[in-house]
Amino acid sequence: QKEVEQDPGPLSVPEGAIVSLNCTYSNSAFQYFMWYRQYSRKGPELLMYTYSSGNKEDGRFTAQVDKSSKYISLFIRDSQPSDSATYLCAMSGGTNAGKSTFGDGTTLTVKP
Amino acid sequence: DVKVTQSSRYLVKRTGEKVFLECVQDMDHENMFWYRQDPGLGLRLIYFSYDVKMKEKGDIPEGYSVSREKKERFSLILESASTNQTSMYLCASSLSGRREKLFFGSGTQLSVL
Repeated sequence: QKEVEQDPGPLSVPEGAIVSLNCTYSNSAFQYFMWYRQYSRKGPELLMYTYSSGNKEDGRFTAQVDKSSKYISLFIRDSQPSDSATYLCAMSGGTNAGKSTFGDGTTLTVKP
Repeated sequence: DVKVTQSSRYLVKRTGEKVFLECVQDMDHENMFWYRQDPGLGLRLIYFSYDVKMKEKGDIPEGYSVSREKKERFSLILESASTNQTSMYLCASSLSGRREKLFFGSGTQLSVL
């Protein structure tokens, strides 16, 4: 079983929809939780970074971490066609400090 | 903005060849990483380095080696390329106190025939 499991998708939504992307993990030592966005034929870029539990908001993006359930989410409000990309969750901590473990990614398409 | 530059966007090599993938970052980051990305397997860490001339194995180091002679440059070496090393290779860097905040290059799509 993988340490990080990500909802596989793909996901297709109409423009303006609220999108929820989710990951679960098994390593309780994870303390840092990241979301990356990867456009086609590009490298991933860091979108959200959260330490420990709680919510973090940045514009239309909200990252949520529930350490008790070992579950993290990324919400995108008022989704735009430019949000179409693959979203990767990543986490690190404990014996994996400094080494991020990634989910497989969820591909999102936002239709105009 | 941090820039991580990978020397080649696409590379085609033959089985048994020695392959060098080069990565340069311009923001004085201490940490550098090599990942490979495969469909259904996500990003997997091959090697990383926290300082010049230092290297540590990641999760899948077999068949690879690395070199870091200068702070800004981190090279991945495939000693004898095999077809199962056909993949997208991604280089990343990060600051010492912010190891988790990775800045990635655009990747090198390597095909081994």
